[in-house]
Amino acid sequence: DAKTTQPPSMDCAEGRAANLPCNHSTISGNEYVYWYRQIHSQGPQYIIHGLKNNETNEMASLIITEDRKSSTLILPHATLRDTAVYYCIVREDNYGQNFVFGPGTRLSVLP
Amino acid sequence: NAGVTQTPKFRVLKTGQSMTLLCAQDMNHEYMYWYRQDPGMGLRLIHYSVGEGTTAKGEVPDGYNVSRLKKQNFLLGLESAAPSQTSVYFCASSHSPGTGSSAKNIQYFGAGTRLSVL
Repeated sequence: DAKTTQPPSMDCAEGRAANLPCNHSTISGNEYVYWYRQIHSQGPQYIIHGLKNNETNEMASLIITEDRKSSTLILPHATLRDTAVYYCIVREDNYGQNFVFGPGTRLSVLP
Repeated sequence: NAGVTQTPKFRVLKTGQSMTLLCAQDMNHEYMYWYRQDPGMGLRLIHYSVGEGTTAKGEVPDGYNVSRLKKQNFLLGLESAAPSQTSVYFCASSHSPGTGSSAKNIQYFGAGTRLSVL
């Protein structure tokens, strides 16, 4: 799986958009970008994933650059409950083993 | 819809004691996984299973054994607990990957078991 790089921490004001970047410069053509988050030592929670097109669901939007070497997770209106560690993971669709969770980005949503 | 359920939620063991952690999923997933998470670190895979009756080693399998006798259950055993096994243990499950929707690769996690070995 391709290696990912994320900033260790970020702050965001409540109600504003939170933009979390992820670099994956060695991503291959058949690897997807997945985002998970972990709130206060709970089990990781799936957020969104994509291959090359931008994706949106009820939780977030995922913007993937045209060269696929980086992506941004966007929480459009961050709330205090979005304070968590966010993990960006790159892996193939048909690779059925573990997700490699790195240190992630600790997002603090401030009132 | 319970999803992935782990029992117990908390446990304290003495060095050398044994215990079994139970993971149950009600989503008819083929794949199941056991991870451990140490303070300030990401998750590391201990063992996983691609189907009933099959198991395989992950990144950090030493000191643990697993069994998948039923599709919905995945057991993690510690035969002789050591302080180094103090951690939070997470179970996850997913559909089998491969052709079709990439959503099959999504793993769903339980709430975790916090284990302390004294």
